[in-house]
Amino acid sequence: DTAVSQTPKYLVTQMGNDKSIKCEQNLGHDTMYWYKQDSKKFLKIMFSYNNKELIINETVPNRFSPKSPDKAHLNLHINSLELGDSAVYFCASSQGGGGAHEQYFGPGTRLTVT
Amino acid sequence: AQKVTQAQTEISVVEKEDVTLDCVYETRDTTYYLFWYKQPPSGELVFLIRRNSFDEQNEISGRYSWNFQKSTSSFNFTITASQVVDSAVYFCALSEFTGTASKLTFGTGTRLQVTL
Repeated sequence: DTAVSQTPKYLVTQMGNDKSIKCEQNLGHDTMYWYKQDSKKFLKIMFSYNNKELIINETVPNRFSPKSPDKAHLNLHINSLELGDSAVYFCASSQGGGGAHEQYFGPGTRLTVT
Repeated sequence: AQKVTQAQTEISVVEKEDVTLDCVYETRDTTYYLFWYKQPPSGELVFLIRRNSFDEQNEISGRYSWNFQKSTSSFNFTITASQVVDSAVYFCALSEFTGTASKLTFGTGTRLQVTL
């Protein structure tokens, strides 16, 4: 019954590798997001998709590439991982991308780059 | 640009005390939305409340209450009779209404520690 799910929950990898994080929501929402939470707990939006269309890209390095195969899924692929990419990545979804509706977050994926 | 300030980095209280978490925001828009989220030690982000800029009524939900004051651009959160389970990081967030795309801007969070 998980509303927003992410896999994997933990990801440990070496610098230079490529990795993906998957996100799925079963709330019927049309907008999905990726956020990054750094070691100081600061949360910042990375991407937003509405009906599979990219609507927000917050000056994220192009090593990060989101992909939305359908409204219920938003995956994040990261190429050539760097130490600074270590963080917790949260997926979220909402009904509508206009800001009027609350966003529901997944459990987060803790990425550690060594 | 929109901004959310949570000046209290960390608050420690003893169980049953009341505690207020402050949130001050900046925005140029007349239509916007404010949110509070809770992040317990387990790490997930839990939605608590949403308030739009036209609704200045205070809200109470059990031991939780929220005070929205447009005149001071504040949206404060009070926990009455705090409990150990309230220990978490609390985030205030602001979303501007853009019609098609919005950005949820978070404050830096306030860590609340409730002890016995």
